[in-house]
Amino acid sequence: GAVVSQHPSWVICKSGTSVKIECRSLDFQATTMFWYRQFPKQSLMLMATSNEGSKATYEQGVEKDKFLINHASLTLSTLTVTSAHPEDSSFYICSARDPGGSGSYPGELFFGEGSRLTVL
Amino acid sequence: AQSVTQPDIHITVSEGASLELRCNYSYGATPYLFWYVQSPGQGLQLLLKYFSGDTLVQGIKGFEAEFKRSQSSFNLRKPSVHWSDAAEYFCAVTYTGYSSASKIIFGSGTRLSIRP
Repeated sequence: GAVVSQHPSWVICKSGTSVKIECRSLDFQATTMFWYRQFPKQSLMLMATSNEGSKATYEQGVEKDKFLINHASLTLSTLTVTSAHPEDSSFYICSARDPGGSGSYPGELFFGEGSRLTVL
Repeated sequence: AQSVTQPDIHITVSEGASLELRCNYSYGATPYLFWYVQSPGQGLQLLLKYFSGDTLVQGIKGFEAEFKRSQSSFNLRKPSVHWSDAAEYFCAVTYTGYSSASKIIFGSGTRLSIRP
């Protein structure tokens, strides 16, 4: 089946630095990818919808200057946490919708393994 | 606005016992419904989905779910749980007119523990 890969799976950084997380669809092209944030023992909160070749659509309350999203190709979206602070520490998960053609149901959403960010 | 409610935060069942996880949705139109499972520190895996047709859907790992429009529910069931089923389970809903840009809204999750 379709696979979505995230990198890195975990990262520790100092406060004030920027961190980039990559989300790749490995065997299908994704015009749309989604970025979620998950706090411990809580549900996934949609942060933004990443659109290939255009600006991301951010959910209410998500700072677009803090969480930069770039979807430069049909297989790669990146989330950059700028000037990270300890409150940005979280589990970030991306997902990509397979429009079809890889044996999966058209429109099925596949999730990456997640990236755990710890800001010291 | 659409929403998904999972009323049970944590459920413990004995290995071999049956399981039912509850999910209720709130949305005026016909929803597309999903159940996902998440192991600790991992991403999400789709167990099953309902788009249309037969209201009883079969999924992977022996799970099934039944869509009941009159009750706005989409409960997940398994006749006999295994220790490996211990995980977090999320119910999710998306819009009708399902397109590549349709957002999926998740419930708060139910943590399943298995008693040996």
